[in-house]
Amino acid sequence: KQEVTQIPAALSVPEGENLVLNCSFTDSAIYNLQWFRQDPGKGLTSLLLIQSSQREQTSGRLNASLDKSSGRSTLYIAASQPGDSATYLCAVFPNFGNEKLTFGTGTRLTIIP
Amino acid sequence: DTEVTQTPKHLVMGMTNKKSLKCEQHMGHRAMYWYKQKAKKPPELMFVYSYEKLSINESVPSRFSPECPNSSLLNLHLHALQPEDSALYLCASSQERVRGYTFGSGTRLTVV
Repeated sequence: KQEVTQIPAALSVPEGENLVLNCSFTDSAIYNLQWFRQDPGKGLTSLLLIQSSQREQTSGRLNASLDKSSGRSTLYIAASQPGDSATYLCAVFPNFGNEKLTFGTGTRLTIIP
Repeated sequence: DTEVTQTPKHLVMGMTNKKSLKCEQHMGHRAMYWYKQKAKKPPELMFVYSYEKLSINESVPSRFSPECPNSSLLNLHLHALQPEDSALYLCASSQERVRGYTFGSGTRLTVV
């Protein structure tokens, strides 16, 4: 059974700093990995999608990497802003079987002005 | 249109009420999902519809009844809910794995 873990569960950093969020998964047989952002009480906003054959994806100040063999992904946020404060979730699609997304436990990020 | 639209945004219902949550997408996605999310927890899958047919039911109590009238609409019918069913209910859709999921903004449900 796939298990996805995000450490730390919460992170506070001063505005302007660069930061890295971590995502680990136990089964490397994934099809792709998706990073989401969730503001309190709101839905999930897709940030980046990395296919299993890719090593990284970039969008603006965000860069996501994937190392399938070691079961790890990172989300790098450059020049953090207070508006980046949210919960960040990673989720993996399995290679085979049904299309059941497995979510990580989430990292609650607070950017201090 | 690249959105998944959920209505209502907020719902308060009594334990004897019947209500429905609605979800709509016009992206031509073939799969639609209902998730339940409690505070500070990741979303938990409830149901999956693929090509308008129920393909996954994660052993959800019968007081939750999904319906997929057509390829663009997904409903979740609620009846005789319990206070512990209070949560954020999220709808999502996908066309194929390579493109990932698109989520709606959710319905905040409170059962009193």
